[in-house]
Amino acid sequence: ETGVTQTPRHLVMGMTNKKSLKCEQHLGHNAMYWYKQSAKKPLELMFVYNFKEQTENNSVPSRFSPECPNSSHLFLHLHTLQPEDSALYLCASSRDIYEQYFGPGTRLTVT
Amino acid sequence: GQNIDQPTEMTATEGAIVQINCTYQTSGFNGLFWYQQHAGEAPTFLSYNVLDGLEEKGRFSSFLSRSKGYSYLLLKELQMKDSASYLCAVRDSNYQLIWGAGTKLIIKP
Repeated sequence: ETGVTQTPRHLVMGMTNKKSLKCEQHLGHNAMYWYKQSAKKPLELMFVYNFKEQTENNSVPSRFSPECPNSSHLFLHLHTLQPEDSALYLCASSRDIYEQYFGPGTRLTVT
Repeated sequence: GQNIDQPTEMTATEGAIVQINCTYQTSGFNGLFWYQQHAGEAPTFLSYNVLDGLEEKGRFSSFLSRSKGYSYLLLKELQMKDSASYLCAVRDSNYQLIWGAGTKLIIKP
């Protein structure tokens, strides 16, 4: 089993749909992250969880709703998204403040 | 504001050496990371610098000068598989990672 897995790998959804992205880490890390990656732009940190507690929310619109039931699983619930939300969504984990390990990402297209 | 600057794109020849620069202006400094990201794949960790100087790891080396707000990633004996984007990230005083937009490296035969 690879370190950080994400499902689905690709997702196309309409603006009125509700969907969820899933991330799972098998590294025994305590921190998990959601990032948005758009072409030619820096990674945008969305949410940070440490030992299941949300420690950062970088002014993310409420149409993105994270959930962290335990230190190994992280979800991103999506509803009423906009076309500009189309991007690659990356999950990462780390042990404390050490290097982050990334999942392969979910390529999201909002139509 | 906080800012990380990297060249958008660089081209180099197989077998050669290339240096990718990163300059930063952040509120505090608690380490600098380099990541490699192949197209369509996840970023993977390459190196970490927190003290001034050069860290060598096989064909890859990373240098840091905290007084100049400057780092570089040096890739030697370039191979075609090194074609990727290279991301620079700095941890600020709040231990938050600030990311650069990445440098796309194209290797030509």
